[in-house]
Amino acid sequence: QITLKESGPTLVKPTQTLTLTCTFSGFSLSTSGVGVGWIRQPPGRALEWLALIYWDDDKRYSPSLKSRLTITRDTSKNQVVLTMTNVDPVDTATYYCARSEGKWLPFDYWGQGTLVTVSP
Amino acid sequence: QSVLTQPPSASGTPGQRVTISCSGSSSNIGSNYVYWYQQLPGTAPKLLIFKNNQRPSGVPDRFSGSKSGTSASLAISGLRSEDEADYYCAAWDDSLSGPVFGGGTKLTVL
Repeated sequence: QITLKESGPTLVKPTQTLTLTCTFSGFSLSTSGVGVGWIRQPPGRALEWLALIYWDDDKRYSPSLKSRLTITRDTSKNQVVLTMTNVDPVDTATYYCARSEGKWLPFDYWGQGTLVTVSP
Repeated sequence: QSVLTQPPSASGTPGQRVTISCSGSSSNIGSNYVYWYQQLPGTAPKLLIFKNNQRPSGVPDRFSGSKSGTSASLAISGLRSEDEADYYCAAWDDSLSGPVFGGGTKLTVL
């Protein structure tokens, strides 16, 4: 059974750095083809892809947010971490992590999401 | 502004068949697989269709997907009240080197 779960702060102040952790089970990020990514959804709005990391440490970022994002993995802990610098209230959203079964493929399994509010 | 274009809303009565369109370009739908997700209120997206027209285990065969050129469609037959949700399409985009999503379609069962 494949599961993913996001964790991190629920409230962050503007200009701070947001760090989110995705802890997963039921698959390995060492398996050829597999990737884990982050997607966010502002309240009442559409899904937006942020970053992806693959089994071979290939990292992909949304061009519009690339300068603010870093994605890393800890294969031994089955975790993927996303950091976003210099947050702003417009970054308020539910953040999801999800698995991709292969390069050039969208996501199949999703976490439940975590709501992050950026406010003074 | 989402890279893939979906109608913001769709509706139908119980038992009807509805379709939701998703329009893209040669760098995404035209050259890669299309996925569809169902998002019930307050929950995470759930995979409904993968690789254009494949259903994951447990998804009823009332849901079907198709793709032609740079567009794709999700069809729901025998509409039920529990199908009321937001639906999103997605595909890899070769130009952006990442997955892109549609803006979502809110389906209302009248």
